[in-house]
Amino acid sequence: EPEVTQTPSHQVTQMGQEVILRCVPISNHLYFYWYRQILGQKVEFLVSFYNNEISEKSEIFDDQFSVERPDGSNFTLKIRSTKLEDSAMYFCASSPDRAPNSPLHFGNGTRLTVT
Amino acid sequence: AQSVAQPEDQVNVAEGNPLTVKCTYSVSGNPYLFWYVQYPNRGLQFLLKYITGDNLVKGSYGFEAEFNKSQTSFHLKKPSALVSDSALYFCAVRDDVEYGNKLVFGAGTILRVKS
Repeated sequence: EPEVTQTPSHQVTQMGQEVILRCVPISNHLYFYWYRQILGQKVEFLVSFYNNEISEKSEIFDDQFSVERPDGSNFTLKIRSTKLEDSAMYFCASSPDRAPNSPLHFGNGTRLTVT
Repeated sequence: AQSVAQPEDQVNVAEGNPLTVKCTYSVSGNPYLFWYVQYPNRGLQFLLKYITGDNLVKGSYGFEAEFNKSQTSFHLKKPSALVSDSALYFCAVRDDVEYGNKLVFGAGTILRVKS
């Protein structure tokens, strides 16, 4: 069964550094998402992306965050200047279409640790 | 805005007993409801979704969910729990009126099944 893949599985960075989290969504999916989860708690929506532009973003997704689909397969989340509070699990997800009953398919996440 | 409540942080059941994990929701329009499961250090796996007209929905691993419109609930159930069902369970909702294609997740419920 096709999967969403994320790399790296764990990223350690120093405060103020830039990080790029990478995702390869399921190949025929059109909608892409980033969520984050702090310490196994609530899963929070960050951003959704369709047709090479942001569809929706949350209050968390401020100017320090950006997303990009640099080629036909990768979907990246960049944090320009990391803060301690950015430490979390970051999950990429994709869905095949905009139908409201389409579930999201999640990757296994990247654990970001900011020191 | 859509929201989801999972009133129990943790549910404990004995193996072989029935289990229920509770979820209530709030939406402006029609609800599109989902259950996901998360095992340690893994992403969220889709379990099942509400299908309009079917108040009892069957999903993966023997799980089912009961939709109740008057109580705005979508409780997850299983007739006979397994130790391997122990995990973190998330209810999620999408609203077709305020539909920005994101899923909004509840806070999660830890299910512990003891042998």
